[in-house]
Amino acid sequence: GENVEQHPSTLSVQEGDSAVIKCTYSDSASNYFPWYKQELGKRPQLIIDIRSNVGEKKDQRIAVTLNKTAKHFSLHITETQPEDSAVYFCAASIGYGGATNKLIFGTGTLLAVQP
Amino acid sequence: GAGVSQSPRYKVAKRGQDVALRCDPISGHVSLFWYQQALGQGPEFLTYFQNEAQLDKSGLPSDRFFAERPEGSVSTLKIQRTQQEDSAVYLCASSLGWGDEKLFFGSGTQLSVL
Repeated sequence: GENVEQHPSTLSVQEGDSAVIKCTYSDSASNYFPWYKQELGKRPQLIIDIRSNVGEKKDQRIAVTLNKTAKHFSLHITETQPEDSAVYFCAASIGYGGATNKLIFGTGTLLAVQP
Repeated sequence: GAGVSQSPRYKVAKRGQDVALRCDPISGHVSLFWYQQALGQGPEFLTYFQNEAQLDKSGLPSDRFFAERPEGSVSTLKIQRTQQEDSAVYLCASSLGWGDEKLFFGSGTQLSVL
């Protein structure tokens, strides 16, 4: 069935280091891959997304890469700061055959940035 | 409104009680989704509306779960005869639809069934 695997489940880095979170998806028809950041007790917030016609996208310290052949996509955070500490979720779209898709989420990565 | 609004923020129910959770999506958003998030897990899909039409309810865990969006705006998720395993955060999300898939989440309703 439709599945998104995410790892690692926890990640601890020193402030200023880079963090990488990886996801794989099962549905070869998936064409939209967003990443969400969720702080404790708060709503998931979209931080970056990528479509399948693009291999990489960058927004300041955050970048996402996509390998459609291998069905892998990754989130890269450079120069990490304590405020980057949160749970990060990847997601992949599952199409309805029309203009709207539903998102299947990974299990999350708890990122802790140590000052 | 400024964002997706959900109420109540917290709900404590006795086992067997019926509950109703409300979602007010961003104005003009065609697509509305309900997700269930267990502690330490990712959101799990429950159901999807396009305007007032419920196009996908494949994620609803049992026939005790029912969702509606009668006028294509506000949606209600109803859980009948709640069980302890229903305890979770219920997240509502909306998107503009029609090719714009950016999903905006509400703050959720944390349901605790005792």
